[in-house]
Amino acid sequence: QSVLTQPPSVSGAPGQRVTISCTGSSSNIGAGYDVHWYQQLPGTAPKLLIYGSTKRPSGVPDRFSGSKSGSSASLAITGLQAEDEADYYCQSYDSSLTSFVFGTGTKVTV
Amino acid sequence: QVQLQESGPGLVKPSETLSLTCSVSGVSMRGYYWSWIRQPPGKGLEWIGYIHYSGTTKYNPSLKRRAAMSVDTSKNQFSLNFSSVTAADTAVYFCTRDFDPFDYWGQGTLVTVSS
Repeated sequence: QSVLTQPPSVSGAPGQRVTISCTGSSSNIGAGYDVHWYQQLPGTAPKLLIYGSTKRPSGVPDRFSGSKSGSSASLAITGLQAEDEADYYCQSYDSSLTSFVFGTGTKVTV
Repeated sequence: QVQLQESGPGLVKPSETLSLTCSVSGVSMRGYYWSWIRQPPGKGLEWIGYIHYSGTTKYNPSLKRRAAMSVDTSKNQFSLNFSSVTAADTAVYFCTRDFDPFDYWGQGTLVTVSS
């Protein structure tokens, strides 16, 4: 079972704003380790969406933004589009497990 | 552009060893770490381990030392051997560049463990 908890699903109408939370603990996000976010479209490999909690790789629209506070992180999608329907995963490092860990995943429905 | 492609048997018998190879193109393997990640059908992602181009490795402790990775920079490939497989190891296996974050991913290959 994952040490990073995400809501199973979120939904929104086109054009709306949705946020996805990623709750960790003092051995991962709370310890200061970076948080990254991945988007997995149906039937495809995950794609890096946000790295270092807030940075976007080249080519990722600025509709996607990340934040981090304490032992939690969040991904926000503004101006929701049909093409944003996907599974989203957060990822960090856990010093107790000495392993890279992923969140439980959130399905976004538009 | 950076491309990764997994290859290997799609079916492995219980108790045997799963062997996969990742072919890298568009970038030299030197200077990077290379990882394997898996995803059981309908479930989340699990990091298996990484290997540096120099051969240094780190594995997920929860996998109880069943994973072993190797790298062949002359062929621009790295490999995963995963021993004593059970049905619980049925998953799509992805190879990726680097770690923290995993910035480039292969398309993934489904490996089914069944007799």
